[in-house]
Amino acid sequence: DAGVIQSPRHEVTEMGQEVTLRCKPISGHDYLFWYRQTMMRGLELLIYFNNNVPIDDSGMPEDRFSAKMPNASFSTLKIQPSEPRDSAVYFCASSPGQGGFSNQPQHFGDGTRLSIL
Amino acid sequence: AQSVTQLDSQVPVFEEAPVELRCNYSSSVSVYLFWYVQYPNQGLQLLLKYLSGSTLVKGINGFEAEFNKSQTSFHLRKPSVHISDTAEYFCAVSGGSNYKLTFGKGTLLTVNP
Repeated sequence: DAGVIQSPRHEVTEMGQEVTLRCKPISGHDYLFWYRQTMMRGLELLIYFNNNVPIDDSGMPEDRFSAKMPNASFSTLKIQPSEPRDSAVYFCASSPGQGGFSNQPQHFGDGTRLSIL
Repeated sequence: AQSVTQLDSQVPVFEEAPVELRCNYSSSVSVYLFWYVQYPNQGLQLLLKYLSGSTLVKGINGFEAEFNKSQTSFHLRKPSVHISDTAEYFCAVSGGSNYKLTFGKGTLLTVNP
């Protein structure tokens, strides 16, 4: 059973460039989450989707960040333009929905380590 | 609103010693509680979860946790640790129909020979 798949695993780019992170959730999972992990702030939820619809994007830091989920098996997180302070590990996670309650664990991908120079 | 406090940022122990990683939470609704483990350069893996019922929950790799509602705690324990348990451990809480997981800052467990 394949887990959550993220690509790329590592990304190094220069400030001002567009960055696109990709995620394939576990098949059949209704919920998809994007997190950012830094030493200073720990794990932060950026946005989550239910059945491909964004439900809560209150964690998205600013307009430079955008996320889409065009279908049940694919999501992207885009940063444009990128800045050095965006350097972090970005995780995607998915979870099955069950009765509308949050008692199902989230399954995480291995993350994308992003460095903005 | 929910919050999670992991009381120790780092816990060094010797191999085969017992360990307890502490977690306190606050929430205005009934909660679901989770412990995740993160090995270097990997994502988070679920260790165990408390949803309801027995307050003592057993997870993978010999870990267990006890839910204490009166003390709003969910401490993680293992009676004898191995070198391979060296990792960062995260306590997390969610509640009701809110699918957001609120994570603690993490506890780095280092097991020394």
